Amino acid sequence: QKEVEQDPGPLSVPEGAIVSLNCTYSNSAFQYFMWYRQYSRKGPELLMYTYSSGNKEDGRFTAQVDKSSKYISLFIRDSQPSDSATYLCAMIEEYGNKLVFGAGTILRVKS
Amino acid sequence: NAGVTQTPKFRVLKTGQSMTLLCAQDMNHEYMYWYRQDPGMGLRLIHYSVGEGTTAKGEVPDGYNVSRLKKQNFLLGLESAAPSQTSVYFCASTGWRGAYNEQFFGPGTRLTVL
Repeated sequence: QKEVEQDPGPLSVPEGAIVSLNCTYSNSAFQYFMWYRQYSRKGPELLMYTYSSGNKEDGRFTAQVDKSSKYISLFIRDSQPSDSATYLCAMIEEYGNKLVFGAGTILRVKS
Repeated sequence: NAGVTQTPKFRVLKTGQSMTLLCAQDMNHEYMYWYRQDPGMGLRLIHYSVGEGTTAKGEVPDGYNVSRLKKQNFLLGLESAAPSQTSVYFCASTGWRGAYNEQFFGPGTRLTVL
């Protein structure tokens, strides 16, 4: 079993839809949770960053962490074609120096 | 400020050939990483370095070697390439561990081994 599980998709939605992307993990020592966005043929870039449990909102994006269930989510409101990309969850321990990534979910937003 | 750069961008090798991928960062970061990305597998850590002169194995180190002789450079070597090493390789760097481990990625190197 992988440390971090993420459905690779692809997930295809119409423009304006609410998108929900999820990851589960098994290592209870993970304390920091991130979402990276990767456009085609580019390197990943940090999108959202959350500490421990709770929510964080940034514009149309909301990241949620439920440590009791070992489950994290990224919600995208009013999705746009420009949101089409691969979204990778990543997590790290308190004093860790290695991120552990999920497989990435391919998202396609159709206009 | 170029961030993280990778050389070359593309390469085709024959089985058994060797090559070196170069990663350079101009952000004075301590930590540097080499990943490979394959369809459906996400980013898998090959080797990493926590400072100049240090290296450590990641999740999939077999068939690769690395060196960090200068703080700004991290080299990934393939001594005898195999078709299983066909992949996209990403280098990343960060100035922090733990909480602030935002990694900055290079544009990637697409390697095909025939």
